[in-house]
Amino acid sequence: NAGVTQTPKFRVLKTGQSMTLLCAQDMNHEYMYWYRQDPGMGLRLIHYSVGEGTTAKGEVPDGYNVSRLKKQNFLLGLESAAPSQTSVYFCASSSRDSAYNEQFFGPGTRLTVL
Amino acid sequence: DQQVKQNSPSLSVQEGRISILNCDYTNSMFDYFLWYKKYPAEGPTFLISISSIKDKNEDGRFTVFLNKSAKHLSLHIVPSQPGDSAVYFCAASHAGGTSYGKLTFGQGTILTVHP
Repeated sequence: NAGVTQTPKFRVLKTGQSMTLLCAQDMNHEYMYWYRQDPGMGLRLIHYSVGEGTTAKGEVPDGYNVSRLKKQNFLLGLESAAPSQTSVYFCASSSRDSAYNEQFFGPGTRLTVL
Repeated sequence: DQQVKQNSPSLSVQEGRISILNCDYTNSMFDYFLWYKKYPAEGPTFLISISSIKDKNEDGRFTVFLNKSAKHLSLHIVPSQPGDSAVYFCAASHAGGTSYGKLTFGQGTILTVHP
């Protein structure tokens, strides 16, 4: 039982390049989320998904796209990376039946955009 | 609009003493409050939670207190241990289907416990 996994762990991009971050969970959770963590800003929600084939915008969605073609996977795409997207990205998942809306997090992806 | 705030960026405590981490919120409609702990190069992990209908929840060395009238909650760690050194995030959520389990996080507080 791996929980939530993220690939890659680290990535360096040049401005304008594109990339996709992959998140996978093996807990059969309905809900999945992408966050970014920046110093002094806490965790901010980028996009989320409430089920296979559905996605919605979070607090800071600009510059990102997402897809959830399979229940266990949630992809975050950057079409044209900008230095402002340098951050640590976390994926999380939760069960629809969670009593406290507890989310389970992956280990993170550290992205640097030059 | 920052709905959940942790106004202390850092806290330093001696081993064996009490650590008190604070969190304030502005949205009176929040139903649940959670604390997460995060070590460097790892994802946040759930620590403890409290429902808005309670004022205290205890789990071993960790106790969370909720003061609804003041829109304030705190996490007490007694006794503090060096392994507790981490970033602590406060989070809040709504109940109900349309919340989709979303959490609103504070900025985090870096706790350092000195031996």
